Amino acid sequence: AQRVTQPEKLLSVFKGAPVELKCNYSYSGSPELFWYVQYSRQRLQLLLRHISRESIKGFTADLNKGETSFHLKKPFAQEEDSAMYYCALSGSLSNFGNEKLTFGTGTRLTIIP
Amino acid sequence: EAQVTQNPRYLITVTGKKLTVTCSQNMNHEYMSWYRQDPGLGLRQIYYSMNVEVTDKGDVPEGYKVSRKEKRNFPLILESPSPNQTSLYFCASSLSSVVETQYFGPGTRLLVL
Repeated sequence: AQRVTQPEKLLSVFKGAPVELKCNYSYSGSPELFWYVQYSRQRLQLLLRHISRESIKGFTADLNKGETSFHLKKPFAQEEDSAMYYCALSGSLSNFGNEKLTFGTGTRLTIIP
Repeated sequence: EAQVTQNPRYLITVTGKKLTVTCSQNMNHEYMSWYRQDPGLGLRQIYYSMNVEVTDKGDVPEGYKVSRKEKRNFPLILESPSPNQTSLYFCASSLSSVVETQYFGPGTRLLVL
């Protein structure tokens, strides 16, 4: 079974302060991990994915296989970062035929001006 | 405009009355999927489809059916809705697999009385 845990339902951070949204996963193979974001009155959209090793809008996430984590980080929070953030996991790269996408319960991030 | 559309956007129905929520994409995507979003539970995948006539269960398929007769359409069918299927439903599509960027629809809010 594959599982994603986001321990924080709510997170408030002052503008300019560092942000870290936690994500832990459970999967027996090699996972592919994603962060999706939903801004107010917008559709859910991809923020970044592990396979691309990219940095989007100043956010980065590192896969730590030892700690089974994929925390999302940004050094300086901006007001426009306020949104709902979801961590998600797929096992398709290591398990042919498994095309499930499993989401965490989400963290609502609020940036305080 | 490239997009995923869902209809209806809002639906109130009664227990046991069959309903269908349509999902359509105009991006020639092969992978399509359905999710439900509930408070405190995040998004949970119901069904996914790798291509025409190829569908498989997600994490919460009970009480739902899907079909993929055409590449662009992926309807979600509730043959006998129950109150515990009251939820916000999202359709999504991607180019070829779950590891590609998922493009989400606007959501369908369903209330089963």
